[in-house]
Amino acid sequence: DVKVTQSSRYLVKRTGEKVFLECVQDMDHENMFWYRQDPGLGLRLIYFSYDVKMKEKGDIPEGYSVSREKKERFSLILESASTNQTSMYLCASSPRYTEAFFGQGTRLTVV
Amino acid sequence: KNEVEQSPQNLTAQEGEFITINCSYSVGISALHWLQQHPGGGIVSLFMLSSGKKKHGRLIATINIQEKHSSLHITASHPRDSAVYICAVQTGTASKLTFGTGTRLQVTL
Repeated sequence: DVKVTQSSRYLVKRTGEKVFLECVQDMDHENMFWYRQDPGLGLRLIYFSYDVKMKEKGDIPEGYSVSREKKERFSLILESASTNQTSMYLCASSPRYTEAFFGQGTRLTVV
Repeated sequence: KNEVEQSPQNLTAQEGEFITINCSYSVGISALHWLQQHPGGGIVSLFMLSSGKKKHGRLIATINIQEKHSSLHITASHPRDSAVYICAVQTGTASKLTFGTGTRLQVTL
């Protein structure tokens, strides 16, 4: 079974902190994605990566950066956390042209 | 207007009922996905389809490319089907998805 693992299920951080969300997949997938999910808005794409060291902005990249140094790991970085970044964050991975596999999500609260 | 619209937003059904969730989209797509999200957050892919119909157990997904419309049907619904069902469209050759806002289904005894 494909496994996509996010480092934390729940996280509480203070405004202004630098926050790292880690995602690891075990199936050698090329594509990896970070989404955030907010009530009434659905999932929105923050960043995605289609290869090691490659990244592309999604629909809402402001306030975020990403890192993909190894194929299996895709990190989302909040450079200076703000309260409007309180959300559920979901990581996904996929091979080319097929379905995506999602992690369990990280519920981040910024206070 | 969102690129992907789902209806209804909320749905309550009794065990055993036949359920239909609809998804309409406004862009050209390479594939459409149906996803299921249980309380707690994890998302599971149910179907990926680009034409016709697919069936898996009690779940059936159909798509009409000309009408830009897809439906997810659940036959003989059960309380364990209670979840949020999300439609997402894939455009181009990359695996980027654009999501609907989901349909919250509750099946009662």
